[in-house]
Parts: sequence; C-alpha cells; structure tokens
Amino acid sequence: GQQVMQIPQYQHVQEGEDFTTYCNSSTTLSNIQWYKQRPGGHPVFLIQLVKSGEVKKQKRLTFQFGEAKKNSSLHITATQTTDVGTYFCAGPIQGGSEKLVFGKGTKLTVNP
Amino acid sequence: EAGVTQFPSHSVIEKGQTVTLRCDPISGHDNLYWYRRVMGKEIKFLLHFVKESKQDESGMPNNRFLAERTGGTYSTLKVQPAELEDSGVYFCASSLQRGAGELFFGEGSRLTVL
Repeated sequence: GQQVMQIPQYQHVQEGEDFTTYCNSSTTLSNIQWYKQRPGGHPVFLIQLVKSGEVKKQKRLTFQFGEAKKNSSLHITATQTTDVGTYFCAGPIQGGSEKLVFGKGTKLTVNP
Repeated sequence: EAGVTQFPSHSVIEKGQTVTLRCDPISGHDNLYWYRRVMGKEIKFLLHFVKESKQDESGMPNNRFLAERTGGTYSTLKVQPAELEDSGVYFCASSLQRGAGELFFGEGSRLTVL
C-alpha cells in the first residue's frame, strides 16, 4: 500500500544548530502536511503544501515540496529548545480519500 | 473556542475487558477522524465520520472496534474485548472542510492493555 517514509527517526542537536527532516512518498501526493507533536502532547498542524516545487517559510522553519510531489522536507534554522518534539509529515491516500498517511516522525531533541 | 477534547486521557485495562473512548470535536466541524499511534510507530488512520455517517472505516483493525457518532456531535470508540496489541494512543481529530485539510487533534487517549 501507499507508504510515507520519514528520516531520520531521531535527531539530537545542540541549540543553534540547524535541523532537517525528510519525507518520501511511494506515490505522488496531491498535497503534504506537516505536524509537530511536543512531548506528551498531540499533533499540531504546521503547514500544508500543494504545488509542485513549493517552498514556504514560517520564521525559522522552511518547508519544501518536491517537483515530483513525492518528497518534502522541513528545515529549522538555528534550533531552539522550544523546537523539541516529533515532526510528522502526512499525505492523503490516492483517489481523493481524506485518509492521511503519516510518516513515522522525526523526534528532535535540542541540547541547550 | 474549545479544541477537540478526549476522554479518558489514560485508561489501563486487562485483556478481555471493554473500554470506550469519547471525543468531542470542535463545534461546527462535521468531519471527525480517529487515528491511533502504537509506540514508536506511525500515526494510523482508523476511520472518518462526516456528521453521523461513516465515510471511511477502512483503517479499523477488526470487528472488536466499534465507532459511533450519534447525532453527528461527539463520537465514541469502543474496544471489546481488548487485546494486548490494542495498546497505544488513540487520537481524535476534526476538521471544518473536506478534502484532507488541516486536522485539529485532541490530546489523545492512552490505552494500556495488560
């Protein structure tokens, strides 16, 4: 079935370092969403990308959607301790379904 | 505006027992979803309601799981009888619009089956 692979599974950085998580789908996606889950919390929507090659920025976060709409990345510049959490990408199942397929997530820890 | 609320936040039961989880979506959100995250794995879709109708229940693991949304407001997810592999965090999410738009997640109900 349709799969969304996400790497790395874990990332530990020093505060101030950059961080990137990558997401790859086995099929073309109509859109991709990113969520952040703080420790002990619930997934919170960050952004949705729709267009091929789209790049969106939210302060220190940069989101990209690949030209083939099968991969995406989230880059955080100069991480802060508030960035700690697990970042998930998610894309809809092909065929117009509203079911989202999530990646396994990248757990980010930041050493102050 | 209140967010998605779930109850209980944590439930510990023994294998063979029954548990019912409840979700109250954001008021006015017709779309309600149940997802589950088993430790260390991805968040997996269980089912989707539009108002009181089950739109897609392809993710329900087996017939021990029963979801309802009578009246199109809150939803319940019952597991009967619970098995060890049912342990995990059950998330409810709601959305205003259809078409896989932004999902608003609840805090989740952590189920531990001993």
